[in-house]
Amino acid sequence: KNEVEQSPQNLTAQEGEFITINCSYSVGISALHWLQQHPGGGIVSLFMLSSGKKKHGRLIATINIQEKHSSLHITASHPRDSAVYICAVRLRAAGNKLTFGGGTRVLVKP
Amino acid sequence: EPEVTQTPSHQVTQMGQEVILRCVPISNHLYFYWYRQILGQKVEFLVSFYNNEISEKSEIFDDQFSVERPDGSNFTLKIRSTKLEDSAMYFCASSVAGRSQPQHFGDGTRLSIL
Repeated sequence: KNEVEQSPQNLTAQEGEFITINCSYSVGISALHWLQQHPGGGIVSLFMLSSGKKKHGRLIATINIQEKHSSLHITASHPRDSAVYICAVRLRAAGNKLTFGGGTRVLVKP
Repeated sequence: EPEVTQTPSHQVTQMGQEVILRCVPISNHLYFYWYRQILGQKVEFLVSFYNNEISEKSEIFDDQFSVERPDGSNFTLKIRSTKLEDSAMYFCASSVAGRSQPQHFGDGTRLSIL
């Protein structure tokens, strides 16, 4: 049973395009994380959200708790944004561990 | 900016051998985690550690796995008798507090079992 689903699995964009990645979850959560995984494998935390919206540079993350849905937007995409973007949730009933989605592989072409 | 550091970056080991993966969490962090990612699959939770004891573990974390914080700075994951299916990327993470704070990840150790 997949508690965290991401779409799309793969996304190719031209440099400068607006990109949206979606994450849906099926159970109650206390927080949602957006993470970036580089081609070498390392993971960087981008955002932690429990409500509303956060912005950092060209990245915007939103969450709708009622609809159990979050989006990550990349404005004015650049080839260096090419990475796997992962949604992970902290389930309300499951301590501090994170439960991960399958990731969205983003390729931004120059 | 403080970082979680993991060593080695790549470990190659014969099946049946013991392996220790090392992590240095961010210095003022109190919660520590190990996750793993088998090639092509999702990241999976292994274990969380707080106040010198395991606070939560997954069904993956069976008797062949153990964790230790031997000296107040290092956080280690030991796999006692490695199997081929233990080949994966292993990530250490740490956080200042539990539920209310983000987890910071290391760059991972790629473990290859031959």
